[in-house]
Amino acid sequence: GAGVSQSPRYKVTKRGQDVALRCDPISGHVSLYWYRQALGQGPEFLTYFNYEAQQDKSGLPNDRFSAERPEGSISTLTIQRTEQRDSAMYRCASSLGWPSYGYTFGSGTRLTVV
Amino acid sequence: GQNIDQPTEMTATEGAIVQINCTYQTSGFNGLFWYQQHAGEAPTFLSYNVLDGLEEKGRFSSFLSRSKGYSYLLLKELQMKDSASYLCAVRDRGSQGNLIFGKGTKLSVKP
Repeated sequence: GAGVSQSPRYKVTKRGQDVALRCDPISGHVSLYWYRQALGQGPEFLTYFNYEAQQDKSGLPNDRFSAERPEGSISTLTIQRTEQRDSAMYRCASSLGWPSYGYTFGSGTRLTVV
Repeated sequence: GQNIDQPTEMTATEGAIVQINCTYQTSGFNGLFWYQQHAGEAPTFLSYNVLDGLEEKGRFSSFLSRSKGYSYLLLKELQMKDSASYLCAVRDRGSQGNLIFGKGTKLSVKP
């Protein structure tokens, strides 16, 4: 597509439920990144993929968080047994590749855990 | 580890020039990026520096000194629409792609 598309735009879930956040990157973009952004803060790195390979997951807060990109295009970030502290804006970004290309961010998914 | 510092807030007048500073400490260095983020919107890419010196792009310029771990973003002829947060981000040499972002500088442009 023309831009990075994320769905849903907003998600309200009850504590303890699992959620899946979807990212559809720009067509042809090799690299896909997941970030989390709290209000008034910069994006915090979670994980990233080159094609379907997860290159770095060091930013995932704990083992409740996982991500996949099985066909090298669409990616899903899954949070199991959600907790209130997981509430944040989750942003996906994609780029043509390393080294010099800036990311294009999606509009994000606002997750609220109640 | 990495540490990125930038001022939390700045205020400037329409038509003026403003400089937003960023200092960083990384175990390696493989590029510095500036992003603009309007309230409620996604960050958008502004500039990329990997070598020392000034990169100019219209009203916006970005400077890098690797030996000092220092960068600045210079905005000229400020417009009201430049009111936004400006994010400094560094790519560590050990990283193949992911960026580490600072907390951002919220710029308010007054008439």
